[in-house]
Amino acid sequence: EAGVTQSPTHLIKTRGQQATLRCSPISGHTSVYWYQQALGLGLQFLLWYDEGEERNRGNFPPRFSGRQFPNYSSELNVNALELEDSALYLCASSPSSGRVRQETQYFGPGTRLLVL
Amino acid sequence: AQKVTQAQTEISVVEKEDVTLDCVYETRDTTYYLFWYKQPPSGELVFLIRRNSFDEQNEISGRYSWNFQKSTSSFNFTITASQVVDSAVYFCALNGAGSYQLTFGKGTKLSVIP
Repeated sequence: EAGVTQSPTHLIKTRGQQATLRCSPISGHTSVYWYQQALGLGLQFLLWYDEGEERNRGNFPPRFSGRQFPNYSSELNVNALELEDSALYLCASSPSSGRVRQETQYFGPGTRLLVL
Repeated sequence: AQKVTQAQTEISVVEKEDVTLDCVYETRDTTYYLFWYKQPPSGELVFLIRRNSFDEQNEISGRYSWNFQKSTSSFNFTITASQVVDSAVYFCALNGAGSYQLTFGKGTKLSVIP
């Protein structure tokens, strides 16, 4: 069974540009989570999508946004990039959380974003 | 608010030694879940174990074992007879009943020296 996949693996942008990161969940999973792992800040929760809806977001500015498509894949968009947005962005998926809470989240390999 | 503390930032051991990674958590929830993940240099977080707050039974999986003690709010992870392939950053995480996202500790970097 294929795991969570993310693309691209690496992304280099300059300040002010926009970045788009993509995630495909494990087949049968409907929940997608995004986390940021910046140097010195640890793993921080960004966004959670389930059944096409944004269910929760972490303490990040509105220029971090995303969406979930009908096939449950997801996209994370970061607008007006800043140097401190340089980080590893990890996507995770889990079975629908609507019925069973605290399902295990399985992570993808991440996208390394570098903002110059 | 939830919090996970991994006081050990870095640990180095010689191959075949046993090593314990500490994890202390804080939550007001009576129902919660604890996790351990492994992050090798490639970056992907690999799920190791999930434990709910009502199950304090210790678990062993091969060379890995976990000690959950609710009285001290700890969920420690022991690797027996460590191997070079165990070198990675290990994260402890908490998911309370009131939230769906994981709260992670800062991680412990384990280096196993041949």
